[in-house]
Amino acid sequence: GENVEQHPSTLSVQEGDSAVIKCTYSDSASNYFPWYKQELGKGPQLIIDIRSNVGEKKDQRIAVTLNKTAKHFSLHITETQPEDSAVYFCAASQAGTALIFGKGTTLSVSS
Amino acid sequence: GAVVSQHPSRVICKSGTSVKIECRSLDFQATTMFWYRQFPKQSLMLMATSNEGSKATYEQGVEKDKFLINHASLTLSTLTVTSAHPEDSSFYICSAPITGGPVDTQYFGPGTRLTVL
Repeated sequence: GENVEQHPSTLSVQEGDSAVIKCTYSDSASNYFPWYKQELGKGPQLIIDIRSNVGEKKDQRIAVTLNKTAKHFSLHITETQPEDSAVYFCAASQAGTALIFGKGTTLSVSS
Repeated sequence: GAVVSQHPSRVICKSGTSVKIECRSLDFQATTMFWYRQFPKQSLMLMATSNEGSKATYEQGVEKDKFLINHASLTLSTLTVTSAHPEDSSFYICSAPITGGPVDTQYFGPGTRLTVL
């Protein structure tokens, strides 16, 4: 089955800096790669996703890149703000199947 | 985005009692829903796949007789934790995919915090 590795487990940046979180997956059949932001005591919130026919996707300060050959994908947050502080999870799946999550990255943005 | 609701948001119960958690898709129909469990400072672990009109499929190590899943309509799935024990205390989260495109997009509910005394 699918296995998703996520790094780093914790990330501390200064406000305005960029943050990068990386994930690798094992199943070459996976074709959907979402990123979720989870705040304490809340459910995960989808922030961006990418499908296997696309190499990069951007939404304002957030971007995701996908390298299918290497089986890794990354989340890039630019101009970080204190409200970006949360736990971020990457996930992978095939169409119609459940998501397999990475272990999460705790991002702390200090002002 | 699509809205998935859960009820209750938190529940405290005594050991040995049963607790029912509801997951609803509010503005779309979901023939499939997924149930996850999340322990403190850990990732989400898939428990089971809930299928409308048929039996749920459970992940290895998840007791189907303890975690009863019913998906009676296209907008509602329920998870019942039977004879709950303190080790069942966790954050339970459901998700439902939006279908229609080449790949499903999944939206998560706000979660239910279960504390078993």
